[in-house]
Amino acid sequence: QVQLVQSGAEVKRPGASVKVSCKASGYTFTSFHMHWVRQAPGQGLEWMAIINPDGDSITYARRFQGRLTLTRDTSTSTLYMELNSLRSDDTAIYYCARATLSYSPFDFWGQGTLVTVSS
Amino acid sequence: DIQLTQSPSFMSASVGDRVVITCRASQDISRFLAWYQQRPGKAPKLLIYAASTLQSGVPSRFSGSGSGTEFTLTIRSLQPEDFATYYCQQVKSYLPITFGQGTRLESK
Repeated sequence: QVQLVQSGAEVKRPGASVKVSCKASGYTFTSFHMHWVRQAPGQGLEWMAIINPDGDSITYARRFQGRLTLTRDTSTSTLYMELNSLRSDDTAIYYCARATLSYSPFDFWGQGTLVTVSS
Repeated sequence: DIQLTQSPSFMSASVGDRVVITCRASQDISRFLAWYQQRPGKAPKLLIYAASTLQSGVPSRFSGSGSGTEFTLTIRSLQPEDFATYYCQQVKSYLPITFGQGTRLESK
């Protein structure tokens, strides 16, 4: 069965970086688009970025450009999200999610990773 | 950016009720709209895509309709497990993909 398993919670200082992983199983990792979405405490969902199945096209939401990097390791079917220059308003749950096409909905989601930014 | 506005933002209802949630888009998105349910402490779950197609495994009491700029999610005969927050999402443009602000459905 399809599973997206994310790394554990992180606590970071302002200005630091965080790298969250998302390990896929139960399907062909290189056949699907992957997204990152975040949710601040008590708030709604905010889309962050998409990577295509070939891994050669990544699009970042405008507000994260220059601060967000997506990478992946196809040998372990793992996707990574690294966010730099963390601020307190980056405190959120970060989700990875799968989509068939760039204009498809997200049919499977990771369990979420809480990133807390605090001095 | 395509803005999605859900109404209401909050509602209370009882088991057995029929519930309707609306999502309005700031521009024509054809039928590139999905609905998600999110229970507290859980990841969102896809309910409906392409405006009206029920995701596999989702109960038939959920239905979606609409096209263009106005969409609805209907829950027929509300069940206890349906009390959650619901989000609409447009996938017509991933520059950026956007979500509605959410509709929190609570037990009356």
